[in-house]
Order: sequence, then structure tokens, then C-alpha cells
Amino acid sequence: AQSVTQPDIHITVSEGASLELRCNYSYGATPYLFWYVQSPGQGLQLLLKYFSGDTLVQGIKGFEAEFKRSQSSFNLRKPSVHWSDAAEYFCAVGAREYGNKLVFGAGTILRVKS
Amino acid sequence: SAVISQKPSRDICQRGTSLTIQCQVDSQVTMMFWYRQQPGQSLTLIATANQGSEATYESGFVIDKFPISRPNLTFSTLTVSNMSPEDSSIYLCSVEGAGTASDIADTQYFGPGTRLTVL
Repeated sequence: AQSVTQPDIHITVSEGASLELRCNYSYGATPYLFWYVQSPGQGLQLLLKYFSGDTLVQGIKGFEAEFKRSQSSFNLRKPSVHWSDAAEYFCAVGAREYGNKLVFGAGTILRVKS
Repeated sequence: SAVISQKPSRDICQRGTSLTIQCQVDSQVTMMFWYRQQPGQSLTLIATANQGSEATYESGFVIDKFPISRPNLTFSTLTVSNMSPEDSSIYLCSVEGAGTASDIADTQYFGPGTRLTVL
């Protein structure tokens, strides 16, 4: 069965510090990988995605993620966090073989302290 | 990416009643999906809304409880029927674009969600 694990439910970082949010997946097909962000009371905004090619992908708002096939991971990083980055972050996996239906991780709530 | 709107943005309903949520996209899309996000939880796919045919439901979701329509390539509705407090959730629609343009193909974009509270 397909699954996505985000092991950190909450993370708190200081403004200006670096950030890494972890995502591991178990999937029976070549996956498409996504990171979405949800601010309180908002819908989901796409940060970045990986389909193929270069395993380091750049997204919006200064985020990047690295796909590591050997570790089944797709961790999200940002070198310097801003207070406005406080939100909930979801990793998701899909594949054409499964109709592009997304399986989401449980989410990681990011708190930024000044 | 497409601009997606949902109506209503929020509602408070009495148990036993039904609510229909609308999802409108500003361009034609191939795929539309409906998700549920229960309080403090992640997103779970309810169904894929198929244009001109019956929706495809995921395990644990049935048409009698969550009837879905998709009359054209830009619009879909989800009805939450015979509601109970356990149906209190955020309901989100998402769309996936057509073609091979890298920014939209195989990528889902989400509407702002409908926050439903059932008393």
C-alpha cells in the first residue's frame, strides 16, 4: 500500500535559522512527489514538485527539496526561515499508474520564533 | 495555474441536513478531485469527479453519502448528505490540468476549501 510518513508533527525554529522537514514514502510505482503548504484557514499551495531528472528541485518562497531514491525520501529545506513561513506542510505522493491520486503525509506544523 | 473557487467558504449545519459544495475553475481541466480534511488531520481523497459519468469513490466513501456531479470541464459539486457531527471537516476540491505543459500536467492545484461544522 502507498504511504507517506512525515515523522515530525511539530517543528520550532528561530527566524533566520535553517529548516529541514522530513518526508519518507512507500510506493508501488515511480512516484511523483510534492510539497504543499497550508496557512491557517487557507487551502493548499504547491511549493514544489519532483517528477524526474535533477533530484534537487527548487520551489517558491526559497524552498528546495531533494529526492533520494535509495532512502525513499523527499525532504524539504530552506536556508533561512522567515516568520511568514509558519504554517503546516504536507508531503504528497502520486503516480500516473494510480490515476494521479495523491496520498498525503500527516503534515508538519512549523512554528517560527523571533 | 488555474484559479479555483469554492462555495460556500464555510457553513454551520444541523445534523440530518445536506450541504452542496461547489467548485468552479476558470479554465477547462481534465481531472477534478474532492478531499476531506478532518480537524487536525491530513487530507483524504473522497473521490475523483469524472466529467459526464459517475464519480470514482475511494474505499470508505459511498455515493449515497457523498454524491458528486461534474457536468462539464470547469465545475463540480460535492454533497454531504444526512450530516452528523463527524462530518465536520474542511472539504477541498483540486484540479489537474491537461496537456504536457510542465507546470500543470500531473499536478493538482487546490481550492480554498469549505469549512463545515455540523451541530
